[in-house]
Amino acid sequence: SQQGEEDPQALSIQEGENATMNCSYKTSINNLQWYRQNSGRGLVHLILIRSNEREKHSGRLRVTLDTSKKSSSLLITASRAADTASYFCATVPNNAGNMLTFGGGTRLMVKP
Amino acid sequence: DTGVSQNPRHKITKRGQNVTFRCDPISEHNRLYWYRQTLGQGPEFLTYFQNEAQLEKSRLLSDRFSAERPKGSFSTLEIQRTEQGDSAMYLCASSIPSRAETQYFGPGTRLLVL
Repeated sequence: SQQGEEDPQALSIQEGENATMNCSYKTSINNLQWYRQNSGRGLVHLILIRSNEREKHSGRLRVTLDTSKKSSSLLITASRAADTASYFCATVPNNAGNMLTFGGGTRLMVKP
Repeated sequence: DTGVSQNPRHKITKRGQNVTFRCDPISEHNRLYWYRQTLGQGPEFLTYFQNEAQLEKSRLLSDRFSAERPKGSFSTLEIQRTEQGDSAMYLCASSIPSRAETQYFGPGTRLLVL
């Protein structure tokens, strides 16, 4: 079973707009990570936020984490057509070693 | 750094046949993970190695599945007596001890069982 749920499941925007994806999870975590997957390919690690952090930035990416609500959001600013991909949040639950538990993903389409 | 590689990239087999996939992790990555991803879903953890030791196994890893990492380098995942429900993308990832939280994924092996 999957730990998290992403919302929305699909998102279509115009190039230059911002894209926001949300993730909710169920158990206490050590950290939460976001990955990107282009069609039919492997996953690429984007950013990691620890349970004691509330916000983190990396380039055009901004991640927030609210452990009280067990939720996270990923914001991609000034989107580009190349950002078209599926985005997954993944958690490492406490006492679960390094096993990543993924959500179902948000499929983002950025139209040129 | 050549990245994680997986072979084959695609495999079509008939129900009941055995298949074996190979994963070559990034050099010096001592941790290796296998995940399975079905269409439209996120990856699901199957098993994890630290060096040659298999430390965790998911309930998803039925008796028909076996994974090995004999020398602590490459790993193989074998599925015996394949079923149509085994059709999925099988992903391998690796990580290093100092940054174990970040996993580097290979391109995956897409399996289709007819």
